[in-house]
Amino acid sequence: GAGVSQSPSNKVTEKGKDVELRCDPISGHTALYWYRQSLGQGLEFLIYFQGNSAPDKSGLPSDRFSAERTGGSVSTLTIQRTQQEDSAVYLCASSLGPANEQFFGPGTRLTVL
Amino acid sequence: DQQVKQNSPSLSVQEGRISILNCDYTNSMFDYFLWYKKYPAEGPTFLISISSIKDKNEDGRFTVFLNKSAKHLSLHIVPSQPGDSAVYFCAARSSNTPLVFGKGTRLSVIA
Repeated sequence: GAGVSQSPSNKVTEKGKDVELRCDPISGHTALYWYRQSLGQGLEFLIYFQGNSAPDKSGLPSDRFSAERTGGSVSTLTIQRTQQEDSAVYLCASSLGPANEQFFGPGTRLTVL
Repeated sequence: DQQVKQNSPSLSVQEGRISILNCDYTNSMFDYFLWYKKYPAEGPTFLISISSIKDKNEDGRFTVFLNKSAKHLSLHIVPSQPGDSAVYFCAARSSNTPLVFGKGTRLSVIA
């Protein structure tokens, strides 16, 4: 399949540890997005990449969160010193361009104990 | 400050009847609206969209209505089927800006 893939599918970590979440977008999609969905909440926008640059980082909740994208393809979302409130499903999406339909990956469920 | 609101967290409908999911928005700059459907343990999938130049878009059993003056849109599913049971997210954007999502409405279609 040529859809968006994310790894790991599940991650359990201890409070204070760092985690890295990976997203492989659809080949050729220049735009890549990270969202998170906390329990009972909607999809919260985190960051948007156009190519390797991030014109909109407005959704990152704190400086413990960072993301990068290399080669216009794979992206990693890093959360440092995780807190229990970081527990959520982290979703990645990609699109041909910012005005095009977004295709979502299955998400990574992060649990911080 | 929620720009896209789905005020009903859940909705139950009998199979064969109409499901109506509602969404309100506050940003008058939004010009494109989408509905996504999400099954458990899967990412959301695109369902149907509408541009602000239209007031209705239909695709099979799914129709989206847009009322710009009321800043309101709705998704109608008729007839509803058990496989339609999922969480439905309303989303909106202005040109070249990321989507803003609502909190979702969980639809249960009862056989």
